[in-house]
Amino acid sequence: EAGVTQFPSHSVIEKGQTVTLRCDPISGHDNLYWYRRVMGKEIKFLLHFVKESKQDESGMPNNRFLAERTGGTYSTLKVQPAELEDSGVYFCASSQDYLVSGLAVETQYFGPGTRLLVL
Amino acid sequence: AQTVTQSQPEMSVQEAETVTLSCTYDTSESDYYLFWYKQPPSRQMILVIRQEAYKQQNATENRFSVNFQKAAKSFSLKISDSQLGDAAMYFCAYRAQNTGTASKLTFGTGTRLQVTL
Repeated sequence: EAGVTQFPSHSVIEKGQTVTLRCDPISGHDNLYWYRRVMGKEIKFLLHFVKESKQDESGMPNNRFLAERTGGTYSTLKVQPAELEDSGVYFCASSQDYLVSGLAVETQYFGPGTRLLVL
Repeated sequence: AQTVTQSQPEMSVQEAETVTLSCTYDTSESDYYLFWYKQPPSRQMILVIRQEAYKQQNATENRFSVNFQKAAKSFSLKISDSQLGDAAMYFCAYRAQNTGTASKLTFGTGTRLQVTL
């Protein structure tokens, strides 16, 4: 079974340019998450899709970030225009939760990340 | 808001020895999950171990075990018989126990573990 894949693995762009990151979750996983790790800091949540709907986008830093998940399969995260502080590693994770006594149990599987450097 | 703290940026252990990585967290919830994830160099992050807060028994997975102290809000990871392949960045993470829905993880800053011969 293929794991979570992300493209590109690395991206170097100049301030003001646009970059689009892609995540392909594990087939059949309804949940898709985006996270970001800025150098030396914690991994921070950006947003959560359930199928094609945004379940929680409380972590999106500002309106320069746009995430989509058309058809509930792969997802894209676009940064436009990119700023220096957007540099970091962007992780995608997917999961398929199931209920045990009414509680959601899930394991999030992570992709290798996209290293973004904004110059 | 929940926070997760890993106070050891780097740790080192000799092969075959035991090492403990620390993690503390802050939450007002009584029910939640705690995780340790491992990210080897240039590789994907994988789940090492999971603990449900309502379980008193500490989780174990082969050479990996946790010391979960709910009252102290502490969740340390013990790696026994360390191997070279254990060298990685280790992240502690928290997830609220929401009824019926999956939800985000809150991570610590990570501990880089070196394993020496």
